[in-house]
Amino acid sequence: QSVLTQPPSVSAAPGQKVTISCSGSNSNIGNNYVSWYQQLPGTAPKLLIYDNNQRPSGIPDRFSGSKSGTSATLGITGLQTGDEADYYCGTWDSSLSAGVFGGGTKLTVL
Amino acid sequence: EVQLVESGGGLIQPGGSLRLSCAASGFTFSRYSINWVRQAPGKGLEWVSYITSSGSTIYYADSVKGRFTISRDNAKNSLYLQMNSLRGEDTAVYYCARVRGVALLVSYMDVWGQGTTVTVS
Repeated sequence: QSVLTQPPSVSAAPGQKVTISCSGSNSNIGNNYVSWYQQLPGTAPKLLIYDNNQRPSGIPDRFSGSKSGTSATLGITGLQTGDEADYYCGTWDSSLSAGVFGGGTKLTVL
Repeated sequence: EVQLVESGGGLIQPGGSLRLSCAASGFTFSRYSINWVRQAPGKGLEWVSYITSSGSTIYYADSVKGRFTISRDNAKNSLYLQMNSLRGEDTAVYYCARVRGVALLVSYMDVWGQGTTVTVS
């Protein structure tokens, strides 16, 4: 059971928009920054969003992040088949003194 | 090129020990904290351990506390994970990842290795 809660899967058609939620608590998302990672099949995770809503260089602006209270959201617009991957939210949990991830969300672009 | 390369994985019997290594290149290794993160077959990411740039502060997941030891040698640009008393549930791909952010509360991982596979059976 993951500390952060994500939907197991989401799907949408090419060109459409999708959002992935990540729910936590005051000890993690509520008071700390959230990052998001994309893991394409058979590869290592890749940083997608950091500091709740910042994109590293090279990440297209189709990807966005937001946070409100104890929840965070990853948004992807203009979906492409190449976006099919597992997406993870992550942060630090101050009560556990541990890093925590969501269980991951598998994105299918129909 | 900024890079992290893990090594040392393999097949090990339950109760055995293994030492993973993570070699850094392309950046000043001694300035960065590092995480170990693992992923069991078909499962999600699990944070394992954290070490600051100097090695002065270390954290472990409860699942590995008392069995795993993280360490680093900045002179060799290398990070290690000594894994003892291995169990079947430790079977996973182990990644090292560079940590950014001025504090843990605002930290994230911007560079990941390709991973090394540990199989306990």
